[in-house]
Amino acid sequence: DAGVTQSPTHLIKTRGQQVTLRCSPKSGHDTVSWYQQALGQGPQFIFQYYEEEERQRGNFPDRFSGHQFPNYSSELNVNALLLGDSALYLCASSLVSGRGLYEQYFGPGTRLTVT
Amino acid sequence: AQTVTQSQPEMSVQEAETVTLSCTYDTSENNYYLFWYKQPPSRQMILVIRQEAYKQQNATENRFSVNFQKAAKSFSLKISDSQLGDTAMYFCAFMRVSGNTPLVFGKGTRLSVIA
Repeated sequence: DAGVTQSPTHLIKTRGQQVTLRCSPKSGHDTVSWYQQALGQGPQFIFQYYEEEERQRGNFPDRFSGHQFPNYSSELNVNALLLGDSALYLCASSLVSGRGLYEQYFGPGTRLTVT
Repeated sequence: AQTVTQSQPEMSVQEAETVTLSCTYDTSENNYYLFWYKQPPSRQMILVIRQEAYKQQNATENRFSVNFQKAAKSFSLKISDSQLGDTAMYFCAFMRVSGNTPLVFGKGTRLSVIA
């Protein structure tokens, strides 16, 4: 049973460029959440996708956008990259239950460096 | 809004000894989940243990146990018989039960197990 996978593992971009990160959820999961983890910090929630729609969003600017595909995989897009966007981007998948999201399974993350 | 505070940036423990990591949180919710996640240098965020707020009994998973004090909004993690493989960042996280809600993380505690 494949867990959550993310690609690429590492990425180096220049300020002002655009980047797309990808995530495939754990088999059977239908909800994908994205988190940004700056160096030395805990993960911060970016947004969550369910049924191909953005359901919740954290305190991130519109430069951060996403998409969920019919197979539940997801993309995170960041436009006009800033140095401060350098971070580990984590994807987490879960299955919506009647009691809400009970447990999220994380991928290994994508390390984005903006120079 | 919910907040999670981990007041110990770094801790160390001798192999085979016991260590306790602290976590406090702030919420007006009555029903919620609390989690401890482990993030080793490989970056994979791994669920260590979870606690449902409506359960009075403290959760236990092998060498890991929690001390959940709901009135004090405290959720500490005890690691018994520490092993070198326990060396990692440990994050305390909160999640509301109602609806599709994201995880709210603390800043983490870096634990080093010394041989």
